[in-house]
Amino acid sequence: DQQVKQNSPSLSVQEGRISILNCDYTNSMFDYFLWYKKYPAEGPTFLISISSIKDKNEDGRFTVFLNKSAKHLSLHIVPSQPGDSAVYFCAVTNFGNEKLTFGTGTRLTIIP
Amino acid sequence: DAGVIQSPRHEVTEMGQEVTLRCKPISGHNSLFWYRQTMMRGLELLIYFNNNVPIDDSGMPEDRFSAKMPNASFSTLKIQPSEPRDSAVYFCASSFGTGAAEQYFGPGTRLTVT
Repeated sequence: DQQVKQNSPSLSVQEGRISILNCDYTNSMFDYFLWYKKYPAEGPTFLISISSIKDKNEDGRFTVFLNKSAKHLSLHIVPSQPGDSAVYFCAVTNFGNEKLTFGTGTRLTIIP
Repeated sequence: DAGVIQSPRHEVTEMGQEVTLRCKPISGHNSLFWYRQTMMRGLELLIYFNNNVPIDDSGMPEDRFSAKMPNASFSTLKIQPSEPRDSAVYFCASSFGTGAAEQYFGPGTRLTVT
């Protein structure tokens, strides 16, 4: 039973446009959410996070939105750049707990 | 800092053989995690250690899998005997502190069992 679902295995977006990556989770007890980015032949790297007391967190071109009632998380990248082409994983946990539960990932391709 | 170091980067072995994957966490980090990545299940946590002590091994798939952390700078993940379904990329990650601390991943070991 997947506690974290990324239903789009892949996404293609034109350079300069907005990329929206989605993530759904099943357990409303989770209160801390993260996005990781992974390039081929490298390990994932932390991108951005949000706690359940917020519904939005912004860092430059990256914004994460949290909809607690829908148990839905999204990552917006605007404007999208070729270097954003990677696999994006969402992860959930409880604050104070080191154990992260990851989704299956979405491969984002930015088309020049 | 060199980051998390994993070896080997690639391993090809025959079914039934023993496989040992190695990890050196970032110096000063006190938590270490072993993950397995597959297309179907994404990134799965196998086991994690805090201060060299195993805290949660509920993700270890079978008794064929074992992990050790003899000291703060070294950990191993062993599969004995290996099976073709163990083929995956195995990642080691480390973090500092408690709570939802950011995890730093190594480059991974791509394991192929034929």
